[in-house]
Amino acid sequence: EVQLLESGGGLVQPGGSLRLSCAATGFTFSSYGMSWVRQAPGKGLEWVSGISGSGGSTFYADSVKGRFTISRDNSKNTLYLQMNSLRAEDTALYYCAKKRGSESYDAFDYWGQGTLVIVSS
Amino acid sequence: DIQMTQSPSSLSASVGDRVTITCRASQSVSTYLNWYQQKPGKAPKLLIYTASGLQSGVPSRFSGSGSGTDFTLTISGLQPEDFATYYCQQSYSGPLYTFGQGTKLEIK
Repeated sequence: EVQLLESGGGLVQPGGSLRLSCAATGFTFSSYGMSWVRQAPGKGLEWVSGISGSGGSTFYADSVKGRFTISRDNSKNTLYLQMNSLRAEDTALYYCAKKRGSESYDAFDYWGQGTLVIVSS
Repeated sequence: DIQMTQSPSSLSASVGDRVTITCRASQSVSTYLNWYQQKPGKAPKLLIYTASGLQSGVPSRFSGSGSGTDFTLTISGLQPEDFATYYCQQSYSGPLYTFGQGTKLEIK
């Protein structure tokens, strides 16, 4: 059974940093691209960042480019999101999501339950 | 960037109804359009991939259609568990994805 378990969220001051983790089980982690998707309180879904199965290619939404860094450790079956220079508008529930296949257009077939990030002084 | 617009933003329906939600892209996304269902306090769940593919385990009352810029999600015979928020997502520019703003389906 595929499982994705996020951790690392919390309360951080504006300008601060946080690192999110997503532990994956139940599938060959290195074979699938992964993404982070966030949802601000009461709002819709926003794709944040993605990474290829090998980790060699990374992608970012304009809203986080230059501040967030996605990475993965395939030996630990874990996805990461390093978030720096955090802003109030980064407050959201952060989900990790697995791509359905190996194509660039593949949908997300499994999602974690999310980890909450609150940026506030 | 490709913008996705869903309509309506909310709708009320009764158990047993047939419901259609539409999603329009700001430019052609071919058939690279996915639909998700999200219930309160839960993660999104994939329903439909590449416009009309039914994800494993999803009931056949859910169906998707469309290509280019206009897409629909249809639920035939609403069940109580279908009341949720639905999102479309374009993956044409994957891995730079865009979601629609969501459609909240409520009980009439």
